[in-house]
Amino acid sequence: EVQLVESGGGVVQPGGSLRLSCIASGFTFDDYAMHWVRQAPGKGLEWVSLISRDGHTTYYADSAKGRITVSRDNSKNSLYLQMDSLRAEDTALYYCAKDVRVGLTTDYLDYWGQGTLVTVSS
Amino acid sequence: QSVLTQPPSVSGAPGQGVTISCTGSSSNLGTTYEVHWYRQLPGTAPKLLIYANNNRPSGVPDRFSGSKSGTSASLAITGLQAEDEADYYCQSYDNSLSAWVFGGGTKVTVL
Repeated sequence: EVQLVESGGGVVQPGGSLRLSCIASGFTFDDYAMHWVRQAPGKGLEWVSLISRDGHTTYYADSAKGRITVSRDNSKNSLYLQMDSLRAEDTALYYCAKDVRVGLTTDYLDYWGQGTLVTVSS
Repeated sequence: QSVLTQPPSVSGAPGQGVTISCTGSSSNLGTTYEVHWYRQLPGTAPKLLIYANNNRPSGVPDRFSGSKSGTSASLAITGLQAEDEADYYCQSYDNSLSAWVFGGGTKVTVL
C-alpha cells in the first residue's frame, strides 16, 4: 500500500523558514518523480514543485521560485521542501504527491499524502 | 486566478447527472497533454478520479467519465449519490509555464 506522510508544518513568522518532509512507502521511491501541492484555507489546489527521480531536475511554480527549494534523499525514501522568506500568502496545507508519467503527454499525481499545515503569522 | 477554468459549483438531484467543464488554452489543454481529474471529499486529501482524459483507476465506478476536446475538457457524473458531494479539480501540464496546472475546483452538491 502506497503511503505518503508529511511533517514539519507549524506556525512561523513572516520572513521565517520551515522545512517540510514527506516519507514514502509502499513503492520504489527512486522510480518516481515527486510533487508538492498546496491548498490555502478554503481555496483550491496550487502546484508548487516537482523533483525528478534522481533529484537532478526540479521545477517550480512562479510563486515559489527563489524562496522554495525541493530536494529528496532516495536512501531514506524522503522528499523535502525548504521554504524561506515565508509570507502570509504561503499559509496552506502542503501535500506531497507521487507522479506518474507515461510517454510525453501523460503526467498526473496518483497518490497524495494527508498534508501538513503551514501557518505564516506574526 | 487558475490557469484552468472550472465553474465554482454544480448541483443535481440524487440519480441525476452533472457535468463539470474545464477550460484551458493552447498551451495546456490545447496541446497533446492530457487532462486528469481529482476528487476531494471534505476534510480529506485529493484522490485521483480520472487520468489521461477518460481512464478510471481501479475502484472508481463507471458513473464517472471524462473527455477532452480542443482547449476544453469535461467530467460527467451520472446517477448522483450523496457521497459524490465533494470538490472536483481538473489538472494538466502547461508548456508555456513549464508547470503542472489545476483548475480552481468545482463543488458538487447533491440536492
